[in-house]
Amino acid sequence: AQSVTQLGSHVSVSEGALVLLRCNYSSSVPPYLFWYVQYPNQGLQLLLKYTTGATLVKGINGFEAEFKKSETSFHLTKPSAHMSDAAEYFCAAFFGNEKLTFGTGTRLTIIP
Amino acid sequence: GAGVSQTPSNKVTEKGKYVELRCDPISGHTALYWYRQSLGQGPEFLIYFQGTGAADDSGLPNDRFFAVRPEGSVSTLKIQRTERGDSAVYLCASSYRDENYGYTFGSGTRLTVV
Repeated sequence: AQSVTQLGSHVSVSEGALVLLRCNYSSSVPPYLFWYVQYPNQGLQLLLKYTTGATLVKGINGFEAEFKKSETSFHLTKPSAHMSDAAEYFCAAFFGNEKLTFGTGTRLTIIP
Repeated sequence: GAGVSQTPSNKVTEKGKYVELRCDPISGHTALYWYRQSLGQGPEFLIYFQGTGAADDSGLPNDRFFAVRPEGSVSTLKIQRTERGDSAVYLCASSYRDENYGYTFGSGTRLTVV
């Protein structure tokens, strides 16, 4: 079955450290891939997306993600964490239909 | 409007009651989606409209849930005989057609059934 898996429901990093949030998908055909961020009591905001073309995708707030077909992965990174990055992050995919399939989310905590 | 608007932002209702949740999409967006996000989970698909018609309602959990979009703009999600298990955040999103480029989400309606 087609699915999205996020490894680590909680991730803590120190301010200024590298942020790495992991996402893998399960599908015979590479999907379109997305990362969304959700701040408390707010909706989902699109960080970045991969559809076709360049596999390294840059998004807002200094985040980027790399699509690796051989590893069926789309991990999200940011070189230097900021306190304002604390939020819930969701990886999602379109598997050839109109529905976004989401992972279960990763809560990112930034340690001062 | 500038974004996707959902009302009310919070709704508390008693078990067994009927509720309506409203979504006002971005002007010109023909596709509209409803998702449900339970505590600690990612959003789950409920229903998708293209224009006035429901193109895919396979995510509606049972026949107590129904959604309409009579004029191809505002949509209403209707839940009959609410149960405590219906408590969740209901998210609406819209996009241009079904371009699969990621849609714009509203802030959601937090439904609590007591």
